[in-house]
Amino acid sequence: QSVLTQPPSASGTPGQRVTISCSGSTSNIGNNTVNWSQQLPGTAPKLLIDGNNQRPSGVPDRFSGSKSGTSASLAISGLQSEDEADYYCAAWDDALKHYVFGTGTKVTVL
Amino acid sequence: QVRLVQSGAEVKKPGASVKVSCKASGYTLTAYYIHWVRQAPGQGLEWMGWMKPNNGDTYYAQQFRGRVTMTRDTSITTAYMDLTSLTSDDTALYYCARQGLGIWLDHWGQGTLVTV
Repeated sequence: QSVLTQPPSASGTPGQRVTISCSGSTSNIGNNTVNWSQQLPGTAPKLLIDGNNQRPSGVPDRFSGSKSGTSASLAISGLQSEDEADYYCAAWDDALKHYVFGTGTKVTVL
Repeated sequence: QVRLVQSGAEVKKPGASVKVSCKASGYTLTAYYIHWVRQAPGQGLEWMGWMKPNNGDTYYAQQFRGRVTMTRDTSITTAYMDLTSLTSDDTALYYCARQGLGIWLDHWGQGTLVTV
């Protein structure tokens, strides 16, 4: 079951800024780090932003993450066509003792 | 570079078991946890559990306890996930992933499709 809630979809034109939210609770986002992964069509997920809000090598700096309280956000600045993908937030949940994923957001470039 | 290469697609009958392998290269298998995650067709990601390759300790998600077993063979740097009593609800892509320095999954296998 997904305990982290994301909007099902987001869209923008090339060059626009798109923001994706991830809403959780004290037991997950509130007490633990949040990370973001990108899943391009037909491929495995790939880490985009780690729990320290750092980008792994090779991830463009137009991707950034932030967290406030029990919510987190992923921002894509200067949207590009290759950013069309599904995006997932994730965190450890102390109450469930599970690693939990967000519901996922499909980003479409118009 | 870090690579996780998984075994090929499987087709199983209901009630059968499946064992998926995940061969690690480019790093020391025993230094990082391995997690297993699955994704049903058109659905999101579902965490199954983790294994500590240095000593074999495991922790499974509640919904899989009693049906899943995660093991490893350090001599061939390979992790395994065994799932029993398969039903059609277990049809999914199964991924292994390495946990990085924090609680995040920094490298993923290519996925193994299991069809029941």
